[in-house]
Amino acid sequence: DSGVTQTPKHLITATGQRVTLRCSPRSGDLSVYWYQQSLDQGLQFLIQYYNGEERAKGNILERFSAQQFPDLHSELNLSSLELGDSALYFCASSPGTAPYEQYFGPGTRLTVT
Amino acid sequence: AQSVAQPEDQVNVAEGNPLTVKCTYSVSGNPYLFWYVQYPNRGLQFLLKYITGDNLVKGSYGFEAEFNKSQTSFHLKKPSALVSDSALYFCAVRDGTNAGKSTFGDGTTLTVKP
Repeated sequence: DSGVTQTPKHLITATGQRVTLRCSPRSGDLSVYWYQQSLDQGLQFLIQYYNGEERAKGNILERFSAQQFPDLHSELNLSSLELGDSALYFCASSPGTAPYEQYFGPGTRLTVT
Repeated sequence: AQSVAQPEDQVNVAEGNPLTVKCTYSVSGNPYLFWYVQYPNRGLQFLLKYITGDNLVKGSYGFEAEFNKSQTSFHLKKPSALVSDSALYFCAVRDGTNAGKSTFGDGTTLTVKP
């Protein structure tokens, strides 16, 4: 158990809908990262937050957004969902912005029908 | 732009034999290199990292990796494979000029046969 929690574990929704994925980092970690894992794209870095502020941005679509709250939990919002958004979404955390290793949550499996 | 290549989709070894999972990288500046392992239906688990210092890095579960700057490689190794090592392995790179953004390879599936 990495100490990172993600909810829900599974999510099934229809095209065009909006969903919110939630992540709680390990106790004491200030950085939260979001990743998308799909069969055709591999593991893609989406975005990083550090202590409430956006720190780095990867291949995140404009339909996707994220935020980190004062209690350090983070939410990833996915809107206008398309079939191609079906994937595993992982959250990871680390103590700060230095090149620490990341601790990954169990993931949320999103299925868009 | 930074990138990682794991040239082998699959590596098969017999239990008790040494294993190597290959990784090469491209990055501007000093590389920060990581190996992670993913078991089915689980998140990634950290194995080891190279930040600076000794080129041979030792990590969890008996794994080690050798950083080779001239060949821009960071191959994962283990002297004696176990069936329980069978999993998906990812190499990742970060650079100091783009803190936070990690680039992962496509992963290598390791199968250890009894």
